Amino acid sequence: KNEVEQSPQNLTAQEGEFITINCSYSVGISALHWLQQHPGGGIVSLFMLSSGKKKHGRLIATINIQEKHSSLHITASHPRDSAVYICAVRNTGNQFYFGTGTSLTVIP
Amino acid sequence: DARVTQTPRHKVTEMGQEVTMRCQPILGHNTVFWYRQTMMQGLELLAYFRNRAPLDDSGMPKDRFSAEMPDATLATLKIQPSEPRDSAVYFCASGLVKDGTTSQETQYFGPGTRLLVL
Repeated sequence: KNEVEQSPQNLTAQEGEFITINCSYSVGISALHWLQQHPGGGIVSLFMLSSGKKKHGRLIATINIQEKHSSLHITASHPRDSAVYICAVRNTGNQFYFGTGTSLTVIP
Repeated sequence: DARVTQTPRHKVTEMGQEVTMRCQPILGHNTVFWYRQTMMQGLELLAYFRNRAPLDDSGMPKDRFSAEMPDATLATLKIQPSEPRDSAVYFCASGLVKDGTTSQETQYFGPGTRLLVL
């Protein structure tokens, strides 16, 4: 069983749609990261969360510590949002666990 | 525009050869992470350092891999001897943890070193 599970694995959306990517984890965490990997391979850290909610532009990340669940939302999706989104958690022992990623394609 | 740099960007070698990958963290950052990404395993943490000291390298095969920080501006990851199963993209990331705070730094990723071992 993976310590971090993401859903869906693949997602195709029309431009402008509201998108939600989910991440569930089974370990106690000190922080949760959302990463974005572009088609060219580069990785960008989008958010780091330990509680509550963060917003950056059209991206919103939430975390529910009690339910061990986080969501990444994209409002008014755009083709340039097409990427793989990876959820990663750092447990209280400073070990990292990664989800397998959600591949998002936004169609014009 | 501060960024993490990695060299080489691409490396092709034959099994049994030594491979050295280098990373220059963002100036002033005090944590450095080494990750490996493959199609089969996805992203994995190999090792990470804070203030040049290794904090965790449990994800790294100890028999052939070694990671060091000779100084604050350079991190190295070596594989000796390399094997075809080491073929992957190796990412370095750096971050800043302020004194007295918990370990929740934002990480900035380098472009990766794409390694192919034949």
